[in-house]
Amino acid sequence: GAGVSQTPSNKVTEKGKYVELRCDPISGHTALYWYRQSLGQGPEFLIYFQGTGAADDSGLPNDRFFAVRPEGSVSTLKIQRTERGDSAVYLCASSVPQGSITEAFFGQGTRLTVV
Amino acid sequence: DAKTTQPNSMESNEEEPVHLPCNHSTISGTDYIHWYRQLPSQGPEYVIHGLTSNVNNRMASLAIAEDRKSSTLILHRATLRDAAVYYCILRDVSGGGSNYKLTFGKGTLLTVNP
Repeated sequence: GAGVSQTPSNKVTEKGKYVELRCDPISGHTALYWYRQSLGQGPEFLIYFQGTGAADDSGLPNDRFFAVRPEGSVSTLKIQRTERGDSAVYLCASSVPQGSITEAFFGQGTRLTVV
Repeated sequence: DAKTTQPNSMESNEEEPVHLPCNHSTISGTDYIHWYRQLPSQGPEYVIHGLTSNVNNRMASLAIAEDRKSSTLILHRATLRDAAVYYCILRDVSGGGSNYKLTFGKGTLLTVNP
């Protein structure tokens, strides 16, 4: 498994519930990103990790959204009190460290549906 | 981030060349031009990037205008597998910029006819 892996691939949840989305980056990639993509739109930046710390979380829409990366590898995006407007595809990407112009590798995404 | 403008959609026939345009009239000297594409139900994938000179790789070619205010992604022989949304993105490499971030627009939806 050389690519970025995201689980689950699909998640249906009820409004008000809590969800966790998982991302396994490519081994050795210290930079990790979360994006959100609504239907018909391009991906929208949410948060960027360099190692274990969130270097930029300016894209998180509100305090219901939180992401962690405790050991600098796997990351979890957490959404509390889900709303129907949170329905989207959540994409994770990883790359070598910031500062070098290298490609970002994306996972296939988790499609979240809030009913 | 500097803005890019792309046509909403384009159509091509299989095995013919495709030229996907991108305008970026406000590009700065430290902006690299990146192209990503997104196949149906997949995450985006890197295609190519360049700064000033034209670039070629196994997937495509990137032609950059002399004034850098526009660029063109060239697929030399389109296949059905090239049907995707193509995104043109500017990425600032200067130290003060958030060059880790990719700012996607809506891209160009390429349809390839058999």
